[in-house]
Amino acid sequence: TQLLEQSPQFLSIQEGENLTVYCNSSSVFSSLQWYRQEPGEGPVLLVTVVTGGEVKKLKRLTFQFGDARKDSSLHITAAQPGDTGLYLCAGPAAGNNRKLIWGLGTSLAVNP
Amino acid sequence: DTEVTQTPKHLVMGMTNKKSLKCEQHMGHRAMYWYKQKAKKPPELMFVYSYEKLSINESVPSRFSPECPNSSLLNLHLHALQPEDSALYLCASSQDGTLYGYTFGSGTRLTVV
Repeated sequence: TQLLEQSPQFLSIQEGENLTVYCNSSSVFSSLQWYRQEPGEGPVLLVTVVTGGEVKKLKRLTFQFGDARKDSSLHITAAQPGDTGLYLCAGPAAGNNRKLIWGLGTSLAVNP
Repeated sequence: DTEVTQTPKHLVMGMTNKKSLKCEQHMGHRAMYWYKQKAKKPPELMFVYSYEKLSINESVPSRFSPECPNSSLLNLHLHALQPEDSALYLCASSQDGTLYGYTFGSGTRLTVV
């Protein structure tokens, strides 16, 4: 069974701090996706990483895909209150390209 | 147009009511999805339509009935729901499969009383 383990589950930091969220598995994924979700809204796709070792930057957010395509990380530099939300990683289920495997999420609160 | 539009935004229904949730996308995506999400949890897959045909039903109770009238529209018909069905219902679409990610709608907050 494919699983994605996210850590930490909860994170409360002050504005300006840096943070890293991890998404780990013992299984290989063809891609991993990161979403951010605000309360009462649907998840918004931030990035998809496809190639092992890939690094993508989105303003203050840096995403990495592990060389073996089993893990990914999200690093936020100088966090702002607008970064507050639920961060979810997800990857396609092996052998079924219509299903996503989801991590349990990281709930981030950035305090002013 | 890069959006998935869901209506209504909020819905309160009694356990004997019949209601429908609607979802529309105009991105030319050929896969559409219904998800259910409880607070602070990841979304749970309910149904997948691929090229307007139901391809996945995740053992969802029959009180939830999906319909895909055309490639842009997806409905979820609700009947005789239970209070534990209260949740955020999300519609999503993707170009083809899950490799590059989904576009989600903003969801319908459903409360069953």
